[in-house]
Amino acid sequence: GAGVSQSPSNKVTEKGKDVELRCDPISGHTALYWYRQRLGQGLEFLIYFQGNSAPDKSGLPSDRFSAERTGESVSTLTIQRTQQEDSAVYLCASSLGQVTPLHFGNGTRLTVT
Amino acid sequence: AQTVTQSQPEMSVQEAETVTLSCTYDTSESNYYLFWYKQPPSRQMILVIRQEAYKQQNATENRFSVNFQKAAKSFSLKISDSQLGDTAMYFCAFMRPVGTYKYIFGTGTRLKVLA
Repeated sequence: GAGVSQSPSNKVTEKGKDVELRCDPISGHTALYWYRQRLGQGLEFLIYFQGNSAPDKSGLPSDRFSAERTGESVSTLTIQRTQQEDSAVYLCASSLGQVTPLHFGNGTRLTVT
Repeated sequence: AQTVTQSQPEMSVQEAETVTLSCTYDTSESNYYLFWYKQPPSRQMILVIRQEAYKQQNATENRFSVNFQKAAKSFSLKISDSQLGDTAMYFCAFMRPVGTYKYIFGTGTRLKVLA
């Protein structure tokens, strides 16, 4: 079946603009994660959704970052008033349950000029 | 807070040889999971192997095996008979199945398999 799909695959934006990144998880996967990966760095946790529970937003770096997920479907990560330091690959992952393997998308490469 | 450390930023190995990637972690938990993920140039992260902390036996998946030393908080990955397709970034990750099932990743080891 289809894997985790992220769009767009690449996004170039001007500093100060808002961007919205989309993640389509695997159907039936209740858990969804967003991670940020700066060039040459590891994965930095941003936010975690599990079913209808309140999301864990503890990794969001500032109030310019927000994310939503409707039920167990699509999630969007929104970055307002983008800054150059927001440039990174944003990875989405989903899993069937809480201790089942993560399935990653190919990420969105965001470049803020 | 849990931390994951990968002390080898880059490594190389000759094709068909064996290589070991290191990972250490810090936690006060007794029940947790450890993972190795591979990220090839295509950018997609792929699960290589997983280990439950309560299992004493080291996990094995074909050419990939781990050396899990719980007391030492060490979780190394051994790749046997290295292949060119193994060239990738390898990330070690920790997850505790309590509260938020957040995965903590290390900074990665870039592995290059040489022909």
